[in-house]
Amino acid sequence: AIQLTQSPSSLSASVGDRVTITCRASQGISSALAWYQQKPGKAPKLLIYDASSLESGVPSRFSGSGSGTDFTLTISSLQPEDFATYYCHQFDSYNYTFGQGTKLEIK
Amino acid sequence: EVQLVQSGAEVKKPGTTVKISCKVSGYTFTDYYIHWVQQAPGKGLEWMGLVDPEDGETIYAEKFQGRVTITADTSTDTAYMELSSLRSEDTAVYYCATLTTGFDYWGQGTLVTVSS
Repeated sequence: AIQLTQSPSSLSASVGDRVTITCRASQGISSALAWYQQKPGKAPKLLIYDASSLESGVPSRFSGSGSGTDFTLTISSLQPEDFATYYCHQFDSYNYTFGQGTKLEIK
Repeated sequence: EVQLVQSGAEVKKPGTTVKISCKVSGYTFTDYYIHWVQQAPGKGLEWMGLVDPEDGETIYAEKFQGRVTITADTSTDTAYMELSSLRSEDTAVYYCATLTTGFDYWGQGTLVTVSS
């Protein structure tokens, strides 16, 4: 199965900061990668699909990039509602996997 | 409005089996796979498997192979996830989801507690 490794595992940042989270795949997955945001007690919410496409309704401060094995999620200017856990997710093969998550906390 | 509505919380004893349902509405059930995702308390998301409601074909994650059975009932637009030989490590919230580009919807989650 394709492994996804996110870094960092946790991150402290302030409102207004620019934040980048990375996701590395154990083998090439083209652009078959999505990013989810999850808040406590809630189901995950899709932010980015196909590595760089913004899901409808998601603020433009979120962006994704990358292809092959290395991907990034960037939040250009953190807002209070962005403090949550973020997961990357690959769907290149039928053995879907998620990264281990990155918890974004308020500094 | 697309909705995936899951059955309620369960408390099970070790070694038994749990079966969770996921009733969909607002779209044609056979158009999209239904996936199941496990999330243990304080842990990350783990993909368990999927069913193609159109023909019932399934794919399971290696970790759950042999213990999980995912099915789809097109007469009621409901998907099911059955997990057997439960152990304490299976205590988790289980989500059904479409996990499809352009059509990403999730159920509300079902908490399964495994305790003697």
